[in-house]
Amino acid sequence: NAGVTQTPKFRILKIGQSMTLQCTQDMNHNYMYWYRQDPGMGLKLIYYSVGAGITDKGEVPNGYNVSRSTTEDFPLRLELAAPSQTSVYFCASSAGITDTQYFGPGTRLTVL
Amino acid sequence: TQLLEQSPQFLSIQEGENLTVYCNSSSVFSSLQWYRQEPGEGPVLLVTVVTGGEVKKLKRLTFQFGDARKDSSLHITAAQPGDTGLYLCAGRLINSGYALNFGKGTSLLVTP
Repeated sequence: NAGVTQTPKFRILKIGQSMTLQCTQDMNHNYMYWYRQDPGMGLKLIYYSVGAGITDKGEVPNGYNVSRSTTEDFPLRLELAAPSQTSVYFCASSAGITDTQYFGPGTRLTVL
Repeated sequence: TQLLEQSPQFLSIQEGENLTVYCNSSSVFSSLQWYRQEPGEGPVLLVTVVTGGEVKKLKRLTFQFGDARKDSSLHITAAQPGDTGLYLCAGRLINSGYALNFGKGTSLLVTP
């Protein structure tokens, strides 16, 4: 099992550009999450999903969108990139809401 | 507002020394977790504590959940260079359901 995979690993965007961060898990987990981690800060929850077709906002959802068309995939969309979105983005999945969350290796995004 | 305060923020010690990392809050948690994160990777769960006063041991690591379930500590005995990393605590508030609230982390460097 690969666990949780994320692509790309690094990306530089210009202000106003759009991009999609990809996340795939092969553990058949119902729950998936997107976090961002800023230097010297903990992880902040952006969006989460409890199953295919169901998503909800986390603590810092502004400027992002998500979709969950399959159990395996949970892409994160940035529509109009801003410097404040420079961060490391982590995708995670879990079998149940209180079960262990397994994290991907992260995507380092810089917006200039 | 940071729900979980970790201290110290940085810690540099020599191999063989003991250390304690603290995770404090004024809020009550139904469970608290500790993660270790290495550079360029996602966090990996070390332990979950759920009962006030609970103590769990993982080899040279000892985790304790405060009696009032507002705080936790991580003690490492005879630290080794392989213990180097960012240690994050994360907790679920009573009655909050899904959300994991992360501390900012303690960056530990163990030198030979």
